[in-house]
Amino acid sequence: AQKVTQAQTEISVVEKEDVTLDCVYETRDTTYYLFWYKQPPSGELVFLIRRNSFDEQNEISGRYSWNFQKSTSSFNFTITASQVVDSAVYFCALGGVYNQGGKLIFGQGTELSVKP
Amino acid sequence: GAGVSQSPSNKVTEKGKDVELRCDPISGHTALYWYRQSLGQGLEFLIYFQGNSAPDKSGLPSDRFSAERTGGSVSTLTIQRTQQEDSAVYLCASSYTSGGPDTQYFGPGTRLTVL
Repeated sequence: AQKVTQAQTEISVVEKEDVTLDCVYETRDTTYYLFWYKQPPSGELVFLIRRNSFDEQNEISGRYSWNFQKSTSSFNFTITASQVVDSAVYFCALGGVYNQGGKLIFGQGTELSVKP
Repeated sequence: GAGVSQSPSNKVTEKGKDVELRCDPISGHTALYWYRQSLGQGLEFLIYFQGNSAPDKSGLPSDRFSAERTGGSVSTLTIQRTQQEDSAVYLCASSYTSGGPDTQYFGPGTRLTVL
């Protein structure tokens, strides 16, 4: 079965702290895609990143970085020097799984609160 | 360019009534998805459309739920005889193609409250 687990339900940090959001996935397929989305209080899901299963290079985009490790089936997301505007619910998702079409399987989300 | 739009943004209805939720995908996107977000169930896939192919309805929770996509663009999700457990935010997304790799872009959602 395909599954995404975000074990951290809520995280609270003080501004400028670094924070890592964990994501562990399960799939038997060799080809798949992993995504992170941000859902701010306004409610709209905002796409952050997509990685395919053949590309294990870490990625950095400004204060955001992602660590993909197939050996541990993890795709963790780190925010460096967090800011209040980073407060949101973050979702990790699995897609492109064989016979599942284009649908995404989401984790339960991690609510990040960044306090000034 | 314009993103995915959904209407209405909020809908309050009485138990037993039918509701229709609308989604306008990003222009040029051939794949369209419906998801539901509720407190107890998180984000759940409902249905997706890809071009002229038969839709994947595997996520629809009951036969009270149906969806159609006219002209390969706008989609309507219909819930008949609404129940209180249908209360949730219904999210629509679109992507350039389906099949897995393409990023899905989400609309703002419709918050449905069934009294």
